[in-house]
Amino acid sequence: GAGVSQSPRYKVAKRGQDVALRCDPISGHVSLFWYQQALGQGPEFLTYFQNEAQLDKSGLPSDRFFAERPEGSVSTLKIQRTQQEDSAVYLCASSFRRSYNEQFFGPGTRLTVL
Amino acid sequence: KNEVEQSPQNLTAQEGEFITINCSYSVGISALHWLQQHPGGGIVSLFMLSSGKKKHGRLIATINIQEKHSSLHITASHPRDSAVYICAVITQGGSEKLVFGKGTKLTVNP
Repeated sequence: GAGVSQSPRYKVAKRGQDVALRCDPISGHVSLFWYQQALGQGPEFLTYFQNEAQLDKSGLPSDRFFAERPEGSVSTLKIQRTQQEDSAVYLCASSFRRSYNEQFFGPGTRLTVL
Repeated sequence: KNEVEQSPQNLTAQEGEFITINCSYSVGISALHWLQQHPGGGIVSLFMLSSGKKKHGRLIATINIQEKHSSLHITASHPRDSAVYICAVITQGGSEKLVFGKGTKLTVNP
């Protein structure tokens, strides 16, 4: 079956522009995670969904960041009024059950804000 | 201080060498993951462990819960092993989110 997919793979935005990043998790996976990875750094947690419920959004760096998963499958990470410091790779991961299972990662979306 | 520390940051080896990458953490954990990231960003989970030792092919991962330390070993290293290896933990009492180390960049030369 298909793995986790993300689109677009690359996004260039002008400062101040709004962007939307999409994640399609593996079918049937309950948990979905968004991570942000700056160049040369390890990923950092942004937010976590269990089905459609956003259980943890403690990692979102500002109120310009918003994530949703309205039907418990596809998720969208939206960044409003992008800033240069938002430039990073945004990774999505999903796992099958609530318990501490292996997370399957998508290829990421590389966002560059000019 | 980061909750998850890895060493070394960079590692260069000759093909065939035995590789060890270390991970120390400062928080209580439910599980620890070793991940591999190739250029271009794709991350693959290698191991998830909460105690003892796991082996898959030429890769071995160990964890010592009392010492809050884990190691990833690669036997008979090969140039295709060149990648960034990342240690990540799930903290106790928290959500299922992963807390990552900064990664170890491994280059294996032929």
